Amino acid sequence: GAGVSQSPRYKVAKRGQDVALRCDPISGHVSLFWYQQALGQGPEFLTYFQNEAQLDKSGLPSDRFFAERPEGSVSTLKIQRTQQEDSAVYLCASSASGVYAANTGELFFGEGSRLTVL
Amino acid sequence: AQKVTQAQTEISVVEKEDVTLDCVYETRDTTYYLFWYKQPPSGELVFLIRRNSFDEQNEISGRYSWNFQKSTSSFNFTITASQVVDSAVYFCALRSNTGNQFYFGTGTSLTVIP
Repeated sequence: GAGVSQSPRYKVAKRGQDVALRCDPISGHVSLFWYQQALGQGPEFLTYFQNEAQLDKSGLPSDRFFAERPEGSVSTLKIQRTQQEDSAVYLCASSASGVYAANTGELFFGEGSRLTVL
Repeated sequence: AQKVTQAQTEISVVEKEDVTLDCVYETRDTTYYLFWYKQPPSGELVFLIRRNSFDEQNEISGRYSWNFQKSTSSFNFTITASQVVDSAVYFCALRSNTGNQFYFGTGTSLTVIP
């Protein structure tokens, strides 16, 4: 597609359930980021992929969070045993440039997946 | 440490007024990149502008202009003759040349009143 696509747009989960959020980046984009945005806050970094390699997962809040990008395109963010504090909008972004690129490009964001944990 | 501060939480202006959104950043890197993004009610962040740390030339693009001052670590954004469609949350962001994270401020919510 022309832009970054995320699904589902909205997800309601009961506490303790596992959820999976999908991101389809812009075709050919090397870099893929996941961000978490709480209500009224700016996006907070979760993890970064360059192609299929997860180069940075320092922002993942706990070992309940797991992300993968096995073929270097589509990525999935999985949250196990969801807690109420996991409620947020999860944003995926892609970029044509990779780490240490000479001219760092901008991020292209999807519309996000809004997760509500009851 | 990398940090972006947007001290203005909410701003309201009447249509056609000019408005400036403030951004102050912290970084120890000598090469870095600064960005402004717009987040309308639909939720998707939209890229507006990128500035490299080694390019302090300010620019005007239509109704938008940017003022980058390394001496004060500021990267302010001005909308001239504001319109209702400018109503959104605006985020300033920083990325270093040696890292992969974008650091976002907490955003400034702009409301343009018709």
